[in-house]
Amino acid sequence: NAGVTQTPKFQVLKTGQSMTLQCAQDMNHNSMYWYRQDPGMGLRLIYYSASEGTTDKGEVPNGYNVSRLNKREFSLRLESAAPSQTSVYFCASNGRGTKTGANVLTFGAGSRLTVL
Amino acid sequence: AQSVTQLDSHVSVSEGTPVLLRCNYSSSYSPSLFWYVQHPNKGLQLLLKYTSAATLVKGINGFEAEFKKSETSFHLTKPSAHMSDAAEYFCVVSDRTNDMRFGAGTRLTVKP
Repeated sequence: NAGVTQTPKFQVLKTGQSMTLQCAQDMNHNSMYWYRQDPGMGLRLIYYSASEGTTDKGEVPNGYNVSRLNKREFSLRLESAAPSQTSVYFCASNGRGTKTGANVLTFGAGSRLTVL
Repeated sequence: AQSVTQLDSHVSVSEGTPVLLRCNYSSSYSPSLFWYVQHPNKGLQLLLKYTSAATLVKGINGFEAEFKKSETSFHLTKPSAHMSDAAEYFCVVSDRTNDMRFGAGTRLTVKP
């Protein structure tokens, strides 16, 4: 069982460059999320998608865009990276209504992004 | 939107003594509440969850939490700390829209 797979695991960008973080889940979950984790600030929600075809802003959406390509995939794009976006990014999916259980998040392994 | 406040950024206990990690929440609706644990350089793991059933929730590794609506709290406890409990703990609140918000985290240190 792959669970939630996110790529890349590590990335270094220069200010102004763009990139896309990819996320895919194979658990038939409806909801998917992107969080960033910074020291002392916990995980902050960037965007989430409650179901295929819908996306909603979280706490810190500025500077990011997302695409829910299909039920499995939810990508996060940085159009013009800034040093403030240096962080560890986690993708997650929500098992509500499935065998995983209501509102139980399954996380990817994380993507460490450094913007110089 | 709902929110979570973890009242302690760092808690230090001795091995074999009780653990208390405090969490207060704010939500316009009847919330679902969770505790997740993150060991160093590891992913996040669900410890326990409250979803409007029993107010005292038991989780893995001897942890439990009590939902107190009147105090808007969901504190995590364990009777006896073990060295392997050293980690970062996150309280999470979710509303009916699937928006799930994390607290800032509490780092638990366990001294031998």
